Amino acid sequence: GAGVSQSPSNKVTEKGKDVELRCDPISGHTALYWYRQRLGQGLEFLIYFQGNSAPDKSGLPSDRFSAERTGESVSTLTIQRTQQEDSAVYLCASSLRAGGNTGELFFGEGSRLTVL
Amino acid sequence: AQRVTQPEKLLSVFKGAPVELKCNYSYSGSPELFWYVQYSRQRLQLLLRHISRESIKGFTADLNKGETSFHLKKPFAQEEDSAMYYCALSGGYSSASKIIFGSGTRLSIRP
Repeated sequence: GAGVSQSPSNKVTEKGKDVELRCDPISGHTALYWYRQRLGQGLEFLIYFQGNSAPDKSGLPSDRFSAERTGESVSTLTIQRTQQEDSAVYLCASSLRAGGNTGELFFGEGSRLTVL
Repeated sequence: AQRVTQPEKLLSVFKGAPVELKCNYSYSGSPELFWYVQYSRQRLQLLLRHISRESIKGFTADLNKGETSFHLKKPFAQEEDSAMYYCALSGGYSSASKIIFGSGTRLSIRP
């Protein structure tokens, strides 16, 4: 497909379970971001991958959260031992960083996580 | 530290009235500023960026470094402008830094 793809689109889980969210960026995009959007709130930065550089993990809220990216392709966001406050829409975005300028972000439709 | 502040959660104006969505930022360097928009049932998408200095859908935004602001303006609002608007900041032209977003402003255009 031409756009950023995220799966699952909806996930309902029980407190304490682990979840894995997947993001397929646009082919060739070197930068990939994960954001969290709680109900009625803005986008909270979680993590940023840029090419082969070490990821910027400064937004991960706790050590229960981790993310990986294989080269310049798929990324997975893992939340261990989920808590109710983890309920949110998790958005992935990718961009093509050209030279020094920040590229336009292309967003996925998000994965809605509900922790019961 | 990077920070983006959008003081208004909701802005409601009549069709044809001027619109100004406020955005203030905090960054100790030369940032790149953006406005992203999310229309109902659509993905978040780029509206405009300060380095382009262009008008998109009648919207403009000027970077004011003295006031650390990047307000979004449109002289005559249209009903199709109703959407969620997010101001965003990146750490500059040569910096491979993250993009952070403000909390967003919901713009509602009344007929």
